[in-house]
Amino acid sequence: AQSVSQHNHHVILSEAASLELGCNYSYGGTVNLFWYVQYPGQHLQLLLKYFSGDPLVKGIKGFEAEFIKSKFSFNLRKPSVQWSDTAEYFCAVPSLDTGRRALTFGSGTRLQVQP
Amino acid sequence: GAGVSQSPSNKVTEKGKDVELRCDPISGHTALYWYRQRLGQGLEFLIYFQGNSAPDKSGLPSDRFSAERTGESVSTLTIQRTQQEDSAVYLCASSPGVSGRETQYFGPGTRLLVL
Repeated sequence: AQSVSQHNHHVILSEAASLELGCNYSYGGTVNLFWYVQYPGQHLQLLLKYFSGDPLVKGIKGFEAEFIKSKFSFNLRKPSVQWSDTAEYFCAVPSLDTGRRALTFGSGTRLQVQP
Repeated sequence: GAGVSQSPSNKVTEKGKDVELRCDPISGHTALYWYRQRLGQGLEFLIYFQGNSAPDKSGLPSDRFSAERTGESVSTLTIQRTQQEDSAVYLCASSPGVSGRETQYFGPGTRLLVL
């Protein structure tokens, strides 16, 4: 079974700092990639996703992610974080075990932005 | 329209009791998923339903877990003879289809505590 690794478990930044959260997945071939975010007290929601084409994907709220096939990575970035970006971020790929229907999630990165 | 709803939002039960968790997906979404999130961990796939097809139960951790779905509407996840290790947040999600590229829309979750 494939796996998704998020190496940063807890990140603390000051407002206006740049952000990069790592995500690595374990299988090659055709891959769809997702970043989900859960703001405090809210539902898990989609931040951005990659299927094909331009490896630099832009999502909501100024976030972007770059798919690097050779590194099996899909890191999330934002040039200047805001206090409202405080949330937990999850990287996910469709699960091969379920025929790419359900998602396999990383363990999540908790981002805390200090004003 | 309305998002995915789940009930109850919190459930405290005693070890050995049965519990039922309910999910109302977004209207028109043919796919419905159940995930479990233990404290400090990522989401773990449990089961998914797609239309009238047989559900994929490959993620259910034991035969104490079962789920049903009525057509393309409400789903119920049942845990029999609950154990303390069943304590977690149980998340339901729905999507328009199961192409592997679909965005999954998550509910608020049911926080289960087994004493």
